[in-house]
Amino acid sequence: DAGVTQSPTHLIKTRGQQVTLRCSPKSGHDTVSWYQQALGQGPQFIFQYYEEEERQRGNFPDRFSGHQFPNYSSELNVNALLLGDSALYLCASSLEDRQDNEQFFGPGTRLTVL
Amino acid sequence: AQKITQTQPGMFVQEKEAVTLDCTYDTSDPSYGLFWYKQPSSGEMIFLIYQGSYDQQNATEGRYSLNFQKARKSANLVISASQLGDSAMYFCAMRERAGNMLTFGGGTRLMVKP
Repeated sequence: DAGVTQSPTHLIKTRGQQVTLRCSPKSGHDTVSWYQQALGQGPQFIFQYYEEEERQRGNFPDRFSGHQFPNYSSELNVNALLLGDSALYLCASSLEDRQDNEQFFGPGTRLTVL
Repeated sequence: AQKITQTQPGMFVQEKEAVTLDCTYDTSDPSYGLFWYKQPSSGEMIFLIYQGSYDQQNATEGRYSLNFQKARKSANLVISASQLGDSAMYFCAMRERAGNMLTFGGGTRLMVKP
């Protein structure tokens, strides 16, 4: 039973470029959340997708957008990259919206913006 | 105001001893869940333990237990019989009924000494 997978593992981009990160949820999960974790800090919620729609969004600009596909996998797109976008991007999957529902995290994509 | 506060940036513990990692939270939602995650240097967030706001008993999972003091809004993680492999970052997180996202604290770096 595969857990959450993310690709790529590492990525280097320059300012102003665009990037797409990918996530496949744990088998049977239908909800995908994305988090940004800057160096030395806790993860911050970007947004969550359920039934191919953005269900909730954190305090991130419109440069951050996403998509969920019918097979529940998801993409995170970031346009007009800034140096401050350098971080570990974590994808988490879960099943339904339950209070006790653990979010399973992937290994993350480490993005470096030069 | 910070929703999740972890006041110990770093802690040392001797192998085989117990250690307590502090976490306080702030919410007006009567229904919420509290989570602890471990993040090794590889970056993946590993779920350790969950406590629901209505749970009458403190949660336990193997060597991990959660000291839940609702009136004080604290949810401290206790690790018994520390092992070298416990060296990692530990994050406390909360999910409120009103939202689907996890809000994380700043983390505590635990270092286990042989």
